[in-house]
Amino acid sequence: SQQGEEDPQALSIQEGENATMNCSYKTSINNLQWYRQNSGRGLVHLILIRSNEREKHSGRLRVTLDTSKKSSSLLITASRAADTASYFCALPWVASGSRLTFGEGTQLTVNP
Amino acid sequence: NAGVTQTPKFQVLKTGQSMTLQCAQDMNHEYMSWYRQDPGMGLRLIHYSVGAGITDQGEVPNGYNVSRSTTEDFPLRLLSAAPSQTSVYFCASSYGGVLDQPQHFGDGTRLSIL
Repeated sequence: SQQGEEDPQALSIQEGENATMNCSYKTSINNLQWYRQNSGRGLVHLILIRSNEREKHSGRLRVTLDTSKKSSSLLITASRAADTASYFCALPWVASGSRLTFGEGTQLTVNP
Repeated sequence: NAGVTQTPKFQVLKTGQSMTLQCAQDMNHEYMSWYRQDPGMGLRLIHYSVGAGITDQGEVPNGYNVSRSTTEDFPLRLLSAAPSQTSVYFCASSYGGVLDQPQHFGDGTRLSIL
């Protein structure tokens, strides 16, 4: 099955700094999604980027997609303590249109 | 809208007991799914449904049953609980499938099997 691999596994930064996390995958995709999970909570959808898009913005979030390198990155600018969470990339399993696979996530800690 | 509601939030079972995890959504979403989340393993798909009366297996379906009699509800049944089923369970829903729709998650059920 298709599964994204996030890198790094953990990231610790100071408030105000930018945070970048990456997702690599192996086979072709229709879209790639990023989710955030705060401790003890469910996942929250952040951004969906389609295979024909190269960059997408939402507030302080910027997602890029490079289909030739089979990778995506999520950039959080001017981070805040409230951004502390786990971040996951999610990929539809193309062979089965109704399955979404998740990587193991990047744990981001933003220190005040 | 309440979104996706999961009950209970916490549950402790003994090995061999059965129970049903409830999931309800009020967004008229066709697609619903169940995941389990274990440390270091991300989320793994258990079962999913593309509409009332239609269900299918995910990556790790053994030991679990589902049914979808209404659009709103998608309960997950543990037939005979085993310690390996200790996990956090998440229900998700979306309008349409996963190819181009964001998933809406509940806050999870934390299940311990003794």
